[in-house]
Amino acid sequence: KNEVEQSPQNLTAQEGEFITINCSYSVGISALHWLQQHPGGGIVSLFMLSSGKKKHGRLIATINIQEKHSSLHITASHPRDSAVYICAADPNRDDKIIFGKGTRLHILP
Amino acid sequence: NAGVMQNPRHLVRRRGQEARLRCSPMKGHSHVYWYRQLPEEGLKFMVYLQKENIIDESGMPKERFSAEFPKEGPSILRIQQVVRGDSAAYFCASSTRQGQNEQYFGPGTRLTVT
Repeated sequence: KNEVEQSPQNLTAQEGEFITINCSYSVGISALHWLQQHPGGGIVSLFMLSSGKKKHGRLIATINIQEKHSSLHITASHPRDSAVYICAADPNRDDKIIFGKGTRLHILP
Repeated sequence: NAGVMQNPRHLVRRRGQEARLRCSPMKGHSHVYWYRQLPEEGLKFMVYLQKENIIDESGMPKERFSAEFPKEGPSILRIQQVVRGDSAAYFCASSTRQGQNEQYFGPGTRLTVT
C-alpha cells in the first residue's frame, strides 16, 4: 500500500466546474506539497502546507493533520487547468519526499 | 531570478553509453534533490545533495548511477552504461534548506535509451 494515496486517479469535468482532488497519507509529516505537471512534463510547485488552508487564485489547498488528509480544490475550472496533480508528503525527520501517483485532470471546453 | 534549470531537456542515448544530466539550482539554493519518473509511474526520490556532500542516496540504484554537486557549477546525475530501463524523466529540485522550505522543481530531462 502506498504511503500517499490520491483520488480520483482520473477526472474529466466541464469547464466551470468545481474540482476536488484528495490526498491521504499514512506517515507523520512536516509538510505536504501539491504539484502540477503539465502535458509537456514540467513540474510546478503549487502549494506547501503544514496546517490549515492556502489560496492562490482559483486554487485552494487544505490539510487536516489529525486525519492525515489534504484536498486541492479548483474553482471555475478551465481547460488550461488540465494537467496531472501530484500530492507529496514530506515526512518528519527524513529527507525523502513521498509522492502520490497523481490525478490526471481533463477539463472540457 | 531564474528558476531551477536542467539540461538537456531531451537526451537520447544508445545502450551502453553514458548519460550526464545537469541541474542548476535557483540562486541562493544550496540543496538539490534528484527524482526519477518512470513511464506511467509516480516520482521517486533518488538522491539529496548539498554543496560537495551527498546527504542521502538511498534512492539511487547501487550500480551505474552517481551524483555530485560541486562547489562551483551544476549538480550532475551520471548514468553509466545505460539500459532501456533507465528511460525516464529525471527531475531535480532545489531549496534553501531541507524540511520546511519549499522545493522548486526544474523542467526535467527526458532520457530515452534506444
